Amino acid sequence: GQNIDQPTEMTATEGAIVQINCTYQTSGFNGLFWYQQHAGEAPTFLSYNVLDGLEEKGRFSSFLSRSKGYSYLLLKELQMKDSASYLCAVRLGGSYIPTFGRGTSLIVHP
Amino acid sequence: NAGVTQTPKFRILKIGQSMTLQCAQDMNHNYMYWYRQDPGMGLKLIYYSVGAGITDKGEVPNGYNVSRSTTEDFPLRLELAAPSQTSVYFCASSYSSRGGRQETQYFGPGTRLLVL
Repeated sequence: GQNIDQPTEMTATEGAIVQINCTYQTSGFNGLFWYQQHAGEAPTFLSYNVLDGLEEKGRFSSFLSRSKGYSYLLLKELQMKDSASYLCAVRLGGSYIPTFGRGTSLIVHP
Repeated sequence: NAGVTQTPKFRILKIGQSMTLQCAQDMNHNYMYWYRQDPGMGLKLIYYSVGAGITDKGEVPNGYNVSRSTTEDFPLRLELAAPSQTSVYFCASSYSSRGGRQETQYFGPGTRLLVL
């Protein structure tokens, strides 16, 4: 199967750091994406990982461990506007078509 | 570039009615996708296309049909609307080449469909 697991909801304080995890079954891994989706809007691309390690992009970083079937999205210096759903999408089984997890709803409070 | 555009933005249908959700992209992407998103859920793939004239089923294709006569357009057809098809529909496109490193999906703004 292609189960992709993320926590349903997380809360954090403005200015803090939060880590959103994503786990998946490793068969035929071919890339992992993170998307941000604000309520009522379309998903927008945040990051892409295909090799092990950390990819940093401003306040956002994404980490991948292929052997563990594990990724996380790290958000630093949280802002209120970071309140959104964060979607993990994984390409598995040699396919170019990504499968999406259910998403993690992040609530940032003052 | 307009990116990915979808029409209509919102529609109410009666059970048994039919309609076509329009999707167009001007980025010359070869891959196009239709997803539905129900409250609190992730995106579920309905159909996708790897190029003009080629379409394939995704995870939840029942009750829908697609066609891809041009690179730019990928309409989604609902023949007999049912309440279970109440959802938000997103169209997306990407460029994929064999051995390509990164093929980000670009999403349209969505169509909100209510079937009563």
